[in-house]
Amino acid sequence: EIVLTQSPATLSLSPGERATLSCRASQSVSSYLAWYQQKPGQAPRLLIYDASNRATGIPARFSGSGSGTDFTLTISSLEPEDFAVYYCQQRSNLYTFGQGTKLEIK
Amino acid sequence: EVQLVESGGGLVKPGGSLRLSCAASGFTFSSYSMNWVRQAPGKGLEWVSSISSSSSYIYYADSVKGRFTISRDNAKNSLYLQMNSLRAEDTAVYYCARGAAAGFGTLHYWGQGTLVTVSS
Repeated sequence: EIVLTQSPATLSLSPGERATLSCRASQSVSSYLAWYQQKPGQAPRLLIYDASNRATGIPARFSGSGSGTDFTLTISSLEPEDFAVYYCQQRSNLYTFGQGTKLEIK
Repeated sequence: EVQLVESGGGLVKPGGSLRLSCAASGFTFSSYSMNWVRQAPGKGLEWVSSISSSSSYIYYADSVKGRFTISRDNAKNSLYLQMNSLRAEDTAVYYCARGAAAGFGTLHYWGQGTLVTVSS
């Protein structure tokens, strides 16, 4: 089983700041990594797929990078609606999710 | 517009059974793999099971293998999850999610989920 480890567990930032979220895989997942955003009471929403491709309708302030075992989700300038929980997920070998990073308002 | 609507959740006693359904619309259901993902209260996301477009390939998480059965009816545009021998740790919101037209792929679309509570 491929284990995904996200860091930090909680990130406290202010609107307008830059957010950098990390996801590390226990073995290479090539570029088969996605990022999801989840708000309370809502289903996850796909942000980034295959490491760096923005999903339909996702603003350009969201970007993804990385390959192999180390991946990053960057939000260039935080909007109030961006405060949520973010999960990474691999599809190289079935599916696994990271434990999530909570992005909270400072 | 792609829509996935789950149903069938509820309260069940430990050891009991429940069948979840997911009604799909807005796309050619028979062309896509489908998946179940769950989320225990206050916890993260956990992949449960996947089924290919023609039901030829089926996979389960170790935590549910031997107890849960995924299936689909392409004529009815529906996905199912038969859950037997339920345990307290199966308590979660269960989401259905659409995979890819080839292979399994990224989960681009998700339903709103249905809550399963296993308690005596």
